[in-house]
Amino acid sequence: DIQMTQSPSSLSASVGDRVTITCRANQSINTYLNWYQQKPGKAPKLLIYAAHTLQSGVPSRFSCAGSGTDFTLTINNLQPEDFATYHCQQSYIRPPTFGQGTKLAI
Amino acid sequence: EVQLVESGGALAQPGGSLTLSCTASGFTFEDYVMHWVRQVPGKGLEWVSGMTRDYAIIGSAESVKGRFTIARDNAKNSLSLYMDSLRDDDTATYYCVKGGYGGCFDHWGQGTLVTISS
Repeated sequence: DIQMTQSPSSLSASVGDRVTITCRANQSINTYLNWYQQKPGKAPKLLIYAAHTLQSGVPSRFSCAGSGTDFTLTINNLQPEDFATYHCQQSYIRPPTFGQGTKLAI
Repeated sequence: EVQLVESGGALAQPGGSLTLSCTASGFTFEDYVMHWVRQVPGKGLEWVSGMTRDYAIIGSAESVKGRFTIARDNAKNSLSLYMDSLRDDDTATYYCVKGGYGGCFDHWGQGTLVTISS
């Protein structure tokens, strides 16, 4: 199975900050990388798919980059509603696998 | 609006069985791959199993192979997960998930909690 590793596991930031979360695969996954946002007690929500495409309705302060093994999710001008846990997931090879999650806290 | 509503989560004993169900609406169910994904409380996400629109099983996680079986009924817009030989480490919230572009998971149900304990 492809192993996905996110860093950091947690981070603290303030409203208005810019943060970057990294996701690394242990082998190339081309651009088959997806990002999810999860708030406490809620189901994950798709943010970005195919490494670079924002899901409909996702604000443009979210951006992403990467291909192959290394990917980043950047959130500019953090808003209160952005404090959540972020998960990356590869869909290149079955089984689909997730990173361990990054908790973004105030 | 896509809606996925799970049911069937409960407290069960080790070695027991449970069946989870998911009812879908707001999209043409028969056109999409569907999955189950689980999450141990406070932990990360784990894909459990998936099924294509024409009833082919995509696969199952090694941790559930031989014990869990995914099924769907396109006429009823429903997805099921038959869980046998339950273990303590199957305790998790189970999500019904719609497959999307490139293998992403584009819509999730609210989840149903399965607790395995004696």
